[in-house]
Amino acid sequence: QQPVQSPQAVILREGEDAVINCSSSKALYSVHWYRQKHGEAPVFLMILLKGGEQKGHDKISASFNEKKQQSSLYLTASQLSYSGTYFCGTPLRDFGNEKLTFGTGTRLTIIP
Amino acid sequence: KAGVTQTPRYLIKTRGQQVTLSCSPISGHRSVSWYQQTPGQGLQFLFEYFSETQRNKGNFPGRFSGRQFSNSRSEMNVSTLELGDSALYLCASSLRAGGKHTEAFFGQGTRLTVV
Repeated sequence: QQPVQSPQAVILREGEDAVINCSSSKALYSVHWYRQKHGEAPVFLMILLKGGEQKGHDKISASFNEKKQQSSLYLTASQLSYSGTYFCGTPLRDFGNEKLTFGTGTRLTIIP
Repeated sequence: KAGVTQTPRYLIKTRGQQVTLSCSPISGHRSVSWYQQTPGQGLQFLFEYFSETQRNKGNFPGRFSGRQFSNSRSEMNVSTLELGDSALYLCASSLRAGGKHTEAFFGQGTRLTVV
C-alpha cells in the first residue's frame, strides 16, 4: 500500500512557502524525497533515516516523525525552479523483501 | 560519473506485440528497480534486481518480466502488449537493495505507446 501524499496539487506565487505531507499506514523506516520536473527523470532531494531527523539544503527541508508514520517536506520562499511533482518514497514490505514504494505525488506550480 | 541510461527513449508498438527495454545503471550499482509511471498513478513498482536475482515484484501480470546481467545491466520485457501498457517506464539504480539506506538514481525513462 503506497504512502499517501497531501495536497495532490498546489499553486503558489514566487516567495511563498509550501508544505507537502507524506503518511503511511505501515511503519516507516526511512523516507526519501524526489522532485520530477516535466519531461525529466525524478531527482533525489534527501533521505531521512530515523525518527526525529530533520534535513535541509538551500530552502528545502524535511522532517520525519516515526511515531506518527509521516514525513513533511518544507519549501520556503519558493522559487520558479521549485515547480515540479514531488514524490515521497519509503521501503515497504508486502511479501518478501522491501521495495522502495512511492506516493502518488504532489504537483507544485510556482507562478511569478 | 555517467548516470543511468535507458534505451530506447521512445517506442511505438501495436497491441499484441512484445517489447524489451534496457537499463544500464551507474557503475558500481548492483540494484536496479523498474517503475511504471502513468498520469494519476504515480510511480508503480514493477520489480527490483540485485546481483542478477529478482528481490521483489510488484502487482503486475506475468506479461511483465525482467532480468539482470552480470554487469548489472537490466532488461524489462512486456509480452502481448495492451493499450493500458502505454506509460513511461523508469529504471532506478542504487548501491544497495530495498531502498532503506540509500538513494535511487533514475534514468530518463522509456516512453512506450501502444496503439
